[in-house]
Amino acid sequence: SYVLTQPPSVSVAPGKTARITCGGNNIGSKSVHWYQQKPGQAPVLVIYYDSDRPSGIPERFSGSNSGNTATLTISRVEAGDEADYYCQVWDSSSDHLVVFGGGTKLTVL
Amino acid sequence: QVQLVQSGAEVKKPGASVKVSCKASGYTFTSYGISWVRQAPGQGLEWMGWISAYNGNTNYAQKLQGRVTMTTDTSTSTAYMELRSLRSDDTAVYYCARMVVNSSGRYGVWFDPWGQGTLVTVSS
Repeated sequence: SYVLTQPPSVSVAPGKTARITCGGNNIGSKSVHWYQQKPGQAPVLVIYYDSDRPSGIPERFSGSNSGNTATLTISRVEAGDEADYYCQVWDSSSDHLVVFGGGTKLTVL
Repeated sequence: QVQLVQSGAEVKKPGASVKVSCKASGYTFTSYGISWVRQAPGQGLEWMGWISAYNGNTNYAQKLQGRVTMTTDTSTSTAYMELRSLRSDDTAVYYCARMVVNSSGRYGVWFDPWGQGTLVTVSS
């Protein structure tokens, strides 16, 4: 089945840029979606279709996808961005049609 | 606004069943599917399956086949997930989420919004 690989943790200072990667075989051919989950809360969609932002999500959140890596970029990081982030794809060839990455804990120093 | 509201926490004994509800509002219920995703304590997200609210078609994750049933009641815009033969490793927060499908161009399926989650604890 299709596997998405994320780093377990990423740390960044306030005001800097955080980049969270999501690796998968030829992931550039799939559409990638990203969710933010704060402790004790449900996930929230922050990027869909590689780089589109839902209404209400700050422009500081952006995404890209090419080759074997998709990336979520958070510019001018704020303390409130500290959360777990998950990438997700749809893989029709997998017994798990929906695949999530293992998640990345973003820590704001 | 689009909203999914789930039923409350449950405590079950091993071998029992649990049925979680998810009431939708703010959109045409039959125009979207509903997926169920669970999260064990301290772990990541695990997709369980989905149901079309339009025609009731379902697709379940292979590891849960035979133990899970997803249904909908279009008269009340409510989706249900029943899990049987519960084990301790079924202890998790269970989420419903509206499925958004883009079939033009590169196919994509994503989830927005999510319900608030329902904690199911399986313990003797």
